[in-house]
Amino acid sequence: GESVGLHLPTLSVQEGDNSIINCAYSNSASDYFIWYKQESGKGPQFIIDIRSNMDKRQGQRVTVLLNKTVKHLSLQIAATQPGDSAVYFCAEKPRGSTLGRLYFGRGTQLTVWP
Amino acid sequence: GAVVSQHPSWVICKSGTSVKIECRSLDFQATTMFWYRQFPKQSLMLMATSNEGSKATYEQGVEKDKFLINHASLTLSTLTVTSAHPEDSSFYICSASGGTRGGEKLFFGSGTQLSVL
Repeated sequence: GESVGLHLPTLSVQEGDNSIINCAYSNSASDYFIWYKQESGKGPQFIIDIRSNMDKRQGQRVTVLLNKTVKHLSLQIAATQPGDSAVYFCAEKPRGSTLGRLYFGRGTQLTVWP
Repeated sequence: GAVVSQHPSWVICKSGTSVKIECRSLDFQATTMFWYRQFPKQSLMLMATSNEGSKATYEQGVEKDKFLINHASLTLSTLTVTSAHPEDSSFYICSASGGTRGGEKLFFGSGTQLSVL
């Protein structure tokens, strides 16, 4: 299940289940969104991205959904594996700004139990 | 794929000293690099945009005299934390954008953990 701690929401799932991680972004003018995975003590790792002219994009085992009406982004991970355990961040890029000027959401700690 | 190298991966220093962190793009030229800071169990916060050959652009609330950024070449940006204090202890991460126009991608370094005693 999901819980919200002092700083970082957490999501615990069993291996093989599907995971859904949610993110609320702040800037309605953002035109590009990215999901990152971060393992402890490492830099963010790109998972999947989506532009604001789309509402869904699929990758390998991952799907990103974008709802611009409510400024909501979600990451779906199919058949979650223990190796998926990490912190997941969404990031938004304001329209007109250079790639790299990203504003990150608060993150969700995903724990996958065998 | 393109790689961004960050050095050192961790550093411990005494309060009042300055610490330099390097960010290198290994197989591409990066005219722009970015510096982020991350406190434990918190998100990444953009500190500044490092521009090759010109002054860095700092985000609101980030002290430019405290966090000196130099981007002297197309493959190297450095962040110097001057007169570091314990509250500067954090995980610092750089990123660099590279690639052809329309196919530009962003790559992150592996981060530097700074502990100020």
